[in-house]
Amino acid sequence: GENVEQHPSTLSVQEGDSAVIKCTYSDSASNYFPWYKQELGKRPQLIIDIRSNVGEKKDQRIAVTLNKTAKHFSLHITETQPEDSAVYFCAANTGGSNYKLTFGKGTLLTVNP
Amino acid sequence: GAVVSQHPSWVICKSGTSVKIECRSLDFQATTMFWYRQFPKQSLMLMATSNEGSKATYEQGVEKDKFLINHASLTLSTLTVTSAHPEDSSFYICSAKVPGRGETQYFGPGTRLLVL
Repeated sequence: GENVEQHPSTLSVQEGDSAVIKCTYSDSASNYFPWYKQELGKRPQLIIDIRSNVGEKKDQRIAVTLNKTAKHFSLHITETQPEDSAVYFCAANTGGSNYKLTFGKGTLLTVNP
Repeated sequence: GAVVSQHPSWVICKSGTSVKIECRSLDFQATTMFWYRQFPKQSLMLMATSNEGSKATYEQGVEKDKFLINHASLTLSTLTVTSAHPEDSSFYICSAKVPGRGETQYFGPGTRLLVL
């Protein structure tokens, strides 16, 4: 089955700096890669996703890049703000049409004012 | 759009009792819903895929007789934790796929279960 590795497990940055979180996946058939933000005790919220037919997608301060050959994808947050502090999860769908997602272990991002 | 609700938001029960958790899609019909379990400071672990009108598909290692899933309508899936024990204490979260939006899953707010 799919295996998703996520690094780093914790990341601390100063407000205004950029943050980068990286994930690798094992199933070459995976073609959908979402990123979720989860605040303590709350539901995961989709912040951006990318499909395998593109290499990069951007939404304001958030961008995701995908390298299918190397089977890795990354989340980039620019001009970080304290409200960006949360746990971020990457995920990849399993091969085929069953639409299941396998999640990485998460990255605790802390943005210091 | 794509709002998913869960009820209850938290529940405390005695060991040996059963607990039912509801997951509803409020503004769309969901043929497929998913149930996850999340232990403190850990990731989301998929328990099962719930398909409307058919049996749920359980992930390896998840006891289907202990975690009963029913998806009787296009807007409601239920998870029943039978004979709950303290080790079942966790954060249970459902998600649903939105028709026409491919693989995108939208999550409910979660149910925190504490078994004493």
